[in-house]
Amino acid sequence: KQEVTQIPAALSVPEGENLVLNCSFTDSAIYNLQWFRQDPGKGLTSLLLIQSSQREQTSGRLNASLDKSSGRSTLYIAASQPGDSATYLCAVSGDYKLSFGAGTTVTVRA
Amino acid sequence: DTAVSQTPKYLVTQMGNDKSIKCEQNLGHDTMYWYKQDSKKFLKIMFSYNNKELIINETVPNRFSPKSPDKAHLNLHINSLELGDSAVYFCASSATGGDSPLHFGNGTRLTVT
Repeated sequence: KQEVTQIPAALSVPEGENLVLNCSFTDSAIYNLQWFRQDPGKGLTSLLLIQSSQREQTSGRLNASLDKSSGRSTLYIAASQPGDSATYLCAVSGDYKLSFGAGTTVTVRA
Repeated sequence: DTAVSQTPKYLVTQMGNDKSIKCEQNLGHDTMYWYKQDSKKFLKIMFSYNNKELIINETVPNRFSPKSPDKAHLNLHINSLELGDSAVYFCASSATGGDSPLHFGNGTRLTVT
């Protein structure tokens, strides 16, 4: 059974600082890994998807890496802004389902 | 246009009642899902459907019965609601079942009193 862990559970940084969010998973037989953002009371917004054959994906200030053999992914957010405050979830894809971590709640202080 | 839409957004009901949540996607995707997010914000798969066929039933009580009338719809019916069913339920869809990104609806917050 796939287990996904996200560390830390919460993170508070001053504006402008870079963010590093970690995700680990136990079963390396995955199709892909997705990072999502969830704002309070809202649904999930997909940020980045890394296929299992890829090492990283970038979108604007976001960069996600994937090391499938060690079961780890890291999401980097450069030059954080107060609007980046949200919960960030990582999820690994198996057959017809995603297994989610519990998320990292990020607060960026102005 | 909302890609994955679910209704209602909020649902408050008493124990023992039966309720339904509807979900529709206009993305032309083959696969649809129901996820449950509990009070600790942990998201867990409940059901996966591919082309109207049930693929995954992740040990969900049989009081929960999904129904897919066509590829664009996956509704969730819940019988004999219990306090522990209170959660946020998310519908999602993807082009295929494994390697394509998931698109989520905005969730239905169910409160059972």
